[in-house]
Amino acid sequence: DSGVTQTPKHLITATGQRVTLRCSPRSGDLSVYWYQQSLDQGLQFLIQYYNGEERAKGNILERFSAQQFPDLHSELNLSSLELGDSALYFCASSLGGSQVGSPLHFGNGTRLTVT
Amino acid sequence: GESVGLHLPTLSVQEGDNSIINCAYSNSASDYFIWYKQESGKGPQFIIDIRSNMDKRQGQRVTVLLNKTVKHLSLQIAATQPGDSAVYFCAENRETSGSRLTFGEGTQLTVNP
Repeated sequence: DSGVTQTPKHLITATGQRVTLRCSPRSGDLSVYWYQQSLDQGLQFLIQYYNGEERAKGNILERFSAQQFPDLHSELNLSSLELGDSALYFCASSLGGSQVGSPLHFGNGTRLTVT
Repeated sequence: GESVGLHLPTLSVQEGDNSIINCAYSNSASDYFIWYKQESGKGPQFIIDIRSNMDKRQGQRVTVLLNKTVKHLSLQIAATQPGDSAVYFCAENRETSGSRLTFGEGTQLTVNP
């Protein structure tokens, strides 16, 4: 068990809808990362938050947004959903925000299916 | 462009054999490398890591080798077991990108009994 908790585990919704994915990092970790994993694809970095502030941005669509709250949990909001947004969404956490040399610890993901 | 990629998408071995999973990277500025294991329905699980100032690092039944000259990383699993069946990803971290990781495409390891 990595200590990173993601909810819900599964989510099925229709095109055009909006969903919110939630992540609680490991106790003590200040950074939260969101990754997308499509079918047969590797993990694509979306965005990172450190202690409530956005730290780094990857290939995140404008329809997607995230935030990290004072209690350090994070939410990823996906809006105007399209069929191509169907994927596994993973949250990871780490202690620091910018130093090289720390592994990320991943949750078990939220499987999003857009119909 | 900069990328971290894997040589083979699938690898099939017999139980008890040693497995070698390879990874190529293109950015010589990469400082830190990690191997993750992902089982079906689960998130990536940390296996072993290595810094760019090292050539080899050993863990329990696993060894990571780093060849900076040819930008090549490998994961060796000794006495492979059925429980080792999973997708293995290499990931890299470079100082210019902070603490986030860039992942390769993954290798599916199948262990035959």
